[in-house]
This record gives sequence, structure tokens and C-alpha cells, in this order.
Amino acid sequence: KNEVEQSPQNLTAQEGEFITINCSYSVGISALHWLQQHPGGGIVSLFMLSSGKKKHGRLIATINIQEKHSSLHITASHPRDSAVYICAVRKTSYDKVIFGPGTSLSVIP
Amino acid sequence: GAVVSQHPSWVICKSGTSVKIECRSLDFQATTMFWYRQFPKQSLMLMATSNEGSKATYEQGVEKDKFLINHASLTLSTLTVTSAHPEDSSFYICSARRRAFYNEQFFGPGTRLTVL
Repeated sequence: KNEVEQSPQNLTAQEGEFITINCSYSVGISALHWLQQHPGGGIVSLFMLSSGKKKHGRLIATINIQEKHSSLHITASHPRDSAVYICAVRKTSYDKVIFGPGTSLSVIP
Repeated sequence: GAVVSQHPSWVICKSGTSVKIECRSLDFQATTMFWYRQFPKQSLMLMATSNEGSKATYEQGVEKDKFLINHASLTLSTLTVTSAHPEDSSFYICSARRRAFYNEQFFGPGTRLTVL
């Protein structure tokens, strides 16, 4: 079993839809990252969370430490949101970041 | 916010040549830099961790003589792929961390290497 899992693996949405991507992990963590990888490969760091909730524009990220679960929400989705969204966690007391398998999002006009 | 840049963003080279990829922290001092590799349709895999002024720590299975990492200053780390072969074609990504900010990690945009 992977230490970081994401669901769904692939997601197709109509423009304007509210989107949720889930991340669950099985290890103790000190921080969780949400990353966006564009089709060309470039990576953008969206959020770094250790508790609670963060919002940036149309993006909202939440984390529940007790349940070992995080969600990334996109409101009013747009075709430019099409990308792979990656959840990554840093294990407690370790330097390594463990990456989830990614969720491929396609937003159709 | 903290910005990490990589250069070049893409490179094509002939088999047997060496390629150097730079990772720079633009507005902060990066005491630790990480190098990752990503093959198509796969997740990022950590190759090595480098701390400024000391030798890099390589992950199991990563050849240190093939992937030379130098972290000579607090704003620059380089990854040199020596004697590149087609199987080294991949997407290489660096990330950087500031002193005492152990939970933060800032990712570079990546470098796509194609070895012919």
C-alpha cells in the first residue's frame, strides 16, 4: 500500500464545476504540499499545510491531521486549471517528501 | 514568495555528452536543495539531498558518479548528468528549503532532458 494515495486518479469536469481532489496518507507528517504540474511538466507549489485550511483565489486546501486526509478544492473551474495535481507529504522527523501518484484533471469548456 | 528557478528549462543532447542543470533560489538562501527525477506518467522520485558546503546524500539506486551534485553556494545547486544515455531522458526538478523552515519546500519549474 502506498503511503500517499490520491483520488480520483483522473477527473474530467465541465467548466464552472466545483472540483474536489482527495489525498490520504498513512504516516505521521509534519507538512503536506499540494502541487500543480502543467502538461509541459512545470511544477507550481500551490499550498503547504500543517493544519486547518488555506485559500488562494479559487483554490482551497484543507487538512485533517487526525483522519490523515487532505482535500484540494477548485471553485468555478476553468480549462486553464487542467493539470496534474500532486499531493506530497513530509514525514515527521524525516527530510524526504513522499509524493502521491497525482490526479489528472481535465476541464472542458 | 520564495522563487526557485532552473536552467535550462529543456535540453537535448547526444548520447555520451554531459549536461549541467542549474537550480537557483532567487530571493532566499537555500541551505538544503533536493533533486528529483520524474519519468513519464510516474511520480517524482527523490535522487539526492544536498546541503550547502557538504557532499550530497544520494538515494539508494542513484549513481553518484553519474549524477554529480554541487551545492557551492546558498543560492545555487547544480546537477550534472555525466555521459548521458537515452535512458537518462527524464524531467529533473529541484526544490529548496530555507534554514530553520523545515516544513517549507519550494519547487523549481523543472528541466526536461532528452538524450538522443
